[in-house]
Amino acid sequence: KAGVTQTPRYLIKTRGQQVTLSCSPISGHRSVSWYQQTPGQGLQFLFEYFSETQRNKGNFPGRFSGRQFSNSRSEMNVSTLELGDSALYLCASSLAEGDTEAFFGQGTRLTVV
Amino acid sequence: GENVEQHPSTLSVQEGDSAVIKCTYSDSASNYFPWYKQELGKRPQLIIDIRSNVGEKKDQRIAVTLNKTAKHFSLHITETQPEDSAVYFCAALNTGGFKTIFGAGTRLFVKA
Repeated sequence: KAGVTQTPRYLIKTRGQQVTLSCSPISGHRSVSWYQQTPGQGLQFLFEYFSETQRNKGNFPGRFSGRQFSNSRSEMNVSTLELGDSALYLCASSLAEGDTEAFFGQGTRLTVV
Repeated sequence: GENVEQHPSTLSVQEGDSAVIKCTYSDSASNYFPWYKQELGKRPQLIIDIRSNVGEKKDQRIAVTLNKTAKHFSLHITETQPEDSAVYFCAALNTGGFKTIFGAGTRLFVKA
């Protein structure tokens, strides 16, 4: 069974640009959550999707958005990139809404220059 | 808002000693508390979890305790080994709120 797949693995963007990250959950998993990981800040919750609906959102500006497709694949978008957006972005999938164990992808490392 | 505080941020122990990491959560509706281990350059992976209706859970050298009244929970690793060296994250989830809040992480070093 394939794990959670995130693409691309690495990305370099310049300030002001926008970026789209992709996450394919484990087959059969319907819940996808996104996290931003920076040194010293741990894992900051971005949003959670289930059945194409955003169920909850963390404390991030509106420049951060996401969506989920009917096949449960999810994308997150960051517009007007800032230097401080440089981080590892992780997505995690769970079997169902409110379910327990989350399986993480390898992450996308975004560098904004 | 919801918050999870995790201490210490760094922990160094001698191989064979025990390690304890403590977390405190703010959302009294939290009912599920997982612990994740993240080795260098790898993804976080669940190592143990506990639900609010249980006070303690053990899996070989790893145990987790939960005090719902005080809103804190702890990870205990006994007989530590060098391969236990990693960053450990605690988390609290209200399974009805679809939002997992993570602690800032503890970097554990186990010296051989």
